[in-house]
Amino acid sequence: SQKIEQNSEALNIQEGKTATLTCNYTNYSPAYLQWYRQDPGRGPVFLLLIRENEKEKRKERLKVTFDTTLKQSLFHITASQPADSATYLCALDRGGTSYGKLTFGQGTILTVHP
Amino acid sequence: SQTIHQWPATLVQPVGSPLSLECTVEGTSNPNLYWYRQAAGRGLQLLFYSVGIGQISSEVPQNLSASRPQDRQFILSSKKLLLSDSGFYLCAWSPGNWKAFFGQGTRLTVV
Repeated sequence: SQKIEQNSEALNIQEGKTATLTCNYTNYSPAYLQWYRQDPGRGPVFLLLIRENEKEKRKERLKVTFDTTLKQSLFHITASQPADSATYLCALDRGGTSYGKLTFGQGTILTVHP
Repeated sequence: SQTIHQWPATLVQPVGSPLSLECTVEGTSNPNLYWYRQAAGRGLQLLFYSVGIGQISSEVPQNLSASRPQDRQFILSSKKLLLSDSGFYLCAWSPGNWKAFFGQGTRLTVV
């Protein structure tokens, strides 16, 4: 069956360090992989989308890599700040006849300590 | 710009009562619309998906139903709520480019 796993349920880091979050998937062949941020009691907010033919995507302090051979995406936040503390979700499109449907990982709770 | 409205923000309902959650999108036409549920400490589970008026795809057999009476309106309903229906319900829309934009969610507690 299809599975998405975000390896760490929680990640604690010091301010200024780089946070690295992992998303692994099995039995998918996604055309796209996305990362979202979710604050407590709020809906997820779209951050980045990376296509299967892209190795890396950047946006300000955020960087996403996508390795379709390893079936893995890494999400990096450089120079992390306490305001980056949130839950981060990865999501895959299911492709094919399930076009447009996203499946989400369980999320990683990131806490950045001052 | 596009906005999505979802209400109410919180809801406490007794077991066996009906449910109606509404979601509307402004500033776009013919969006893909979604209902997700998020149980405490867990990921998002896709419940329903719609690509047009009256077109509903159900992902998980359950006590809930969805309707899309207008292009930018998506409604989640139940005739009789169960305790297991408690959770955080999220409506989302997509312009068809795979990015999803979420509403603020409804926290439903069935007592």
